Amino acid sequence: EVRLVESGGGLVKPGGSLRLSCAASGFTFSSYIINWVRQAPGKGLEWVSSISASSNYIYYANAVKGRFTISRDNANNSLYLQMNSLRVEDTAVYFCARGFLTVTNFDTWGQGALVTVSS
Amino acid sequence: QSALTQPPSVSAAPGQKVTISCSGRSSNIGNNYVSWYQQLPGAAPKLLIYDNTKRSSGIPDRFSASKSGTSATLGITGLQTGDEADYYCATWDSSLTAGVFGTGTKVTVL
Repeated sequence: EVRLVESGGGLVKPGGSLRLSCAASGFTFSSYIINWVRQAPGKGLEWVSSISASSNYIYYANAVKGRFTISRDNANNSLYLQMNSLRVEDTAVYFCARGFLTVTNFDTWGQGALVTVSS
Repeated sequence: QSALTQPPSVSAAPGQKVTISCSGRSSNIGNNYVSWYQQLPGAAPKLLIYDNTKRSSGIPDRFSASKSGTSATLGITGLQTGDEADYYCATWDSSLTAGVFGTGTKVTVL
């Protein structure tokens, strides 16, 4: 079974840092683009970042550029999102999602990890 | 980054048809593939359509999609109560080098 499982969410103060992880199983992780997508409470989906299979290409949404860093460890089938200088508006459920054929064909999603930024 | 434009809500009776529009620009929909997602309450999104018109594995043919110019459309026929959900379009924006989602549409079965 193809599976993505996020972890590392929690409550953090504005200006703080948090690292999300996404554990993949059931497919050849090193062959796929993987993405982070977030959803603020009661709001729509927002693309956050993408990383190519071999980490050669990395893209970020303007809202997180310079503060968030995406990375992956193909040997351990894991994806990461290092989030620094967190803001209240970063509060959201963060999903990792596999890209199928193209970056934005998100064919497999994790269950999501809630990040709450509040004082 | 501007989101793609979708109507906030659409509704129809069981068995009827609804269509959801997704409007963008040449840098996104106009030159890239569009995908569509269904998100049931409290759940992760689910891929319905990829590469503009192709149904994902296990998706019934009641769901269909098309693309023309800078707009895309999702159609749902034979509407069922289980189709009540939020629906999103998505594509890549070549100018922004970023992914972009639609604003989302809530489908209500009357």
